[in-house]
Amino acid sequence: NAGVTQTPKFQVLKTGQSMTLQCAQDMNHNSMYWYRQDPGMGLRLIYYSASEGTTDKGEVPNGYNVSRLNKREFSLRLESAAPSQTSVYFCASSEKGVTGELFFGEGSRLTVL
Amino acid sequence: QKEVEQNSGPLSVPEGAIASLNCTYSDRGSQSFFWYRQYSGKSPELIMSIYSNGDKEDGRFTAQLNKASQYVSLLIRDSQPSDSATYLCAVALGVKTIFGAGTRLFVKA
Repeated sequence: NAGVTQTPKFQVLKTGQSMTLQCAQDMNHNSMYWYRQDPGMGLRLIYYSASEGTTDKGEVPNGYNVSRLNKREFSLRLESAAPSQTSVYFCASSEKGVTGELFFGEGSRLTVL
Repeated sequence: QKEVEQNSGPLSVPEGAIASLNCTYSDRGSQSFFWYRQYSGKSPELIMSIYSNGDKEDGRFTAQLNKASQYVSLLIRDSQPSDSATYLCAVALGVKTIFGAGTRLFVKA
């Protein structure tokens, strides 16, 4: 049982480059989330998708876009990467009706030079 | 003011002692409350959830919620070196879940 799978696990970008982080879950969960984690900052919500076909901004959405491709997949795109986006990114999912009980992927470490 | 506040620590306790971790939140509409544990270099994992005022016990862990004071706590009894990790308090408001910055706990053998 894979749970939540994120790719890639590591990525180095140059300022201005674009990339997409992929996330897929096999638990038939309705809600999916993207967080970033920086030292001393905890997890900050970037975007979330309550259900297939909907997306909403979280605490720190600037510089990011998301796509809820289907119930399983939720991608995060950086159109023009900046050094301030250097972080560890976590995708998570939760079952409808149990908001807050999140299952996390292993994380994607992104460095922007 | 951050929506979810935690003392960043580190909190250091000897093996076998009780570790007490605290969290306050700002939105009175918050509905559900959670504690996650995160080992260094790993992803967070849910260890406790609490939805109503009072205490909830699960093994060595007890979560306490006081909605009037907007306060959540986690007690770890008989602390073990394997409990050394960062503990993240999380609060759900609707579909969103907001996390505190986390408290680092060290349990000394």
